[in-house]
Amino acid sequence: GESVGLHLPTLSVQEGDNSIINCAYSNSASDYFIWYKQESGKGPQFIIDIRSNMDKRQGQRVTVLLNKTVKHLSLQIAATQPGDSAVYFCAENIFGTGGGNKLTFGTGTQLKVEL
Amino acid sequence: EAQVTQNPRYLITVTGKKLTVTCSQNMNHEYMSWYRQDPGLGLRQIYYSMNVEVTDKGDVPEGYKVSRKEKRNFPLILESPSPNQTSLYFCASSPRGRSGANVLTFGAGSRLTVL
Repeated sequence: GESVGLHLPTLSVQEGDNSIINCAYSNSASDYFIWYKQESGKGPQFIIDIRSNMDKRQGQRVTVLLNKTVKHLSLQIAATQPGDSAVYFCAENIFGTGGGNKLTFGTGTQLKVEL
Repeated sequence: EAQVTQNPRYLITVTGKKLTVTCSQNMNHEYMSWYRQDPGLGLRQIYYSMNVEVTDKGDVPEGYKVSRKEKRNFPLILESPSPNQTSLYFCASSPRGRSGANVLTFGAGSRLTVL
């Protein structure tokens, strides 16, 4: 499959444990954030999003937390499974740029699930 | 199945030989965009289009052209490829709406090598 990057920060977790992936963003004007998952050989796939007027949002087995004070975003995955192994990207949308739909991506975190 | 389709998936070419990477979406999305992905740099936007006949530069447009003659297609053109354009390319689309409201759907990627 395709390698999406070298020297990525790596998080290794045991199957069944909870995972927390962190992301720092730089622009306080960002008003929308998304987490994407990228498996080897595939394009990024949407996981969950959150608007800047929220500080927490939950999905199925995933929770995103937003701390605007310190410009920090985190993705929590409950009961991590082998199929969760992938590179995870946070992305931010800055109002008015790139036609309104532009996403600026972080460099990604490699999640490895150990059996 | 709703999807973004890119072709070719893999291409090896030589410096200066014009090439086109096609992108097609079947979701009637107004917004389309091209990103390149490089190790340690994440995904960077090349060009985007908010609708038919409307295109604009992203963060790294040098050496690329695009066109949007039809809503479903958004080809990426490299008129004279150079080795620094060796990368993994992703096309993405979304409905056009208010800022940040729309999730990008990505294609599977096109791996380009310029010798």
